[in-house]
Amino acid sequence: KNQVEQSPQSLIILEGKNCTLQCNYTVSPFSNLRWYKQDTGRGPVSLTIMTFSENTKSNGRYTATLDADTKQSSLHITASQLSDSASYICVVSGYAGNNRKLIWGLGTSLAVNP
Amino acid sequence: DAGVIQSPRHEVTEMGQEVTLRCKPISGHNSLFWYRQTMMRGLELLIYFNNNVPIDDSGMPEDRFSAKMPNASFSTLKIQPSEPRDSAVYFCASIPGTGGDTQYFGPGTRLTVL
Repeated sequence: KNQVEQSPQSLIILEGKNCTLQCNYTVSPFSNLRWYKQDTGRGPVSLTIMTFSENTKSNGRYTATLDADTKQSSLHITASQLSDSASYICVVSGYAGNNRKLIWGLGTSLAVNP
Repeated sequence: DAGVIQSPRHEVTEMGQEVTLRCKPISGHNSLFWYRQTMMRGLELLIYFNNNVPIDDSGMPEDRFSAKMPNASFSTLKIQPSEPRDSAVYFCASIPGTGGDTQYFGPGTRLTVL
């Protein structure tokens, strides 16, 4: 069964600290993996996309890694800011027959406190 | 560009009433998605259209839900009759291609069915 599991479910850190969010998936065959950021009361916004051959991709203070062998991804946030408080959702793209399918994780809720 | 526009932003209704949610995708985008988001189940794809044609409606929970896209700039999601378990945030998203592209989400409609 295609699944995406994220951990931790929630996280509280102090402003300026680093943190790492995890995403494990069992989607096969695999096409790509995306991380989205969802602010409270808003729709998700894409942060990064990674394909099978990519190990690391950065977007400012956000760095995503992908290990396609172990089917794990992580999102590392450096020098956190109050505006990083949001839900971070991992999405894996695969195939069900000839149709592309997106499998969404439940997200990690991050709170950055001053 | 104004981005994906959804209306209303909030809807409170009583069980048994008809509810219509509206979406205007980004101009030029030819695929449109309707999602439902709850704390327990995260984001769930309900249906998606490509060039105004429904492609995959396997996520529509039951016959009480229906969606239409009469033209490239407008779509509706209708629930009739509504039930308390339909309470959720409903998102509309659009992409310029037919698959694998970043989805651009609207702000969502928070639906509460009493």
